[in-house]
Amino acid sequence: QVQLQESGPGLVKPSQTLSLTCSVSGGSFSSDAYQWTWIRQLPGKGLEWIGYIYYSGISYYSPSLKSRLTISVDTSKNQFSLKLTSVTAADTAVYYCARVRHRGVTPSYFDYWGQGTLVTVSS
Amino acid sequence: QSVLTQPPSVSAAPGQKVTISCSGSSSNIGNNYVSWYQQLPGTAPKFLIYENNKRPSGIPDRFSGSKSGTSATLGITGLQPGDEADYYCGSWDGSLSAFVFGTGTKVTVL
Repeated sequence: QVQLQESGPGLVKPSQTLSLTCSVSGGSFSSDAYQWTWIRQLPGKGLEWIGYIYYSGISYYSPSLKSRLTISVDTSKNQFSLKLTSVTAADTAVYYCARVRHRGVTPSYFDYWGQGTLVTVSS
Repeated sequence: QSVLTQPPSVSAAPGQKVTISCSGSSSNIGNNYVSWYQQLPGTAPKFLIYENNKRPSGIPDRFSGSKSGTSATLGITGLQPGDEADYYCGSWDGSLSAFVFGTGTKVTVL
């Protein structure tokens, strides 16, 4: 059974960088069959897709966040990470990591999810 | 950027059926697969339907998906109290070059 677990600070100051890591266990991390993705949910709101990465390091970001976003991968630890710079209160959300099944290079669906971690942006 | 529109809420009595619509456009649902997710209160979303109408193992056949043109529908039959949750559709949008989710629908079991 594939399991994903997010980790990172729960509180980030405005203008600083939000950093999260997702640890993956129980499955094949280094496979072209999967992408690895971040999704967030603003308080009381819907889901917003952030971006994905392959184990090879090839990544793709949502255009709305691309200028502030970096997603990286560490295959030796079966982990992938998110860095979002210059955060504001509007970035306060529950951040989920998930495994992606894709068609070609575009995500098709997300079959395993982490439990999510709340990140609050506040001074 | 919810470009997929869902009704805010639907409700029905236990044992009854509900349907949730997801309306999009040719840049998303019209030319890409639709998936559906269930989010129970306080938990992470759970994968329910993929590629428009396929159920992963472990998902009961009370849940079904369909797609026609630029719209998709999730059906839940034999409604149970444990089905009370928020439900989201999702699809790749070729114009936005992003995966987009629906606005979400809260299902209430009366």
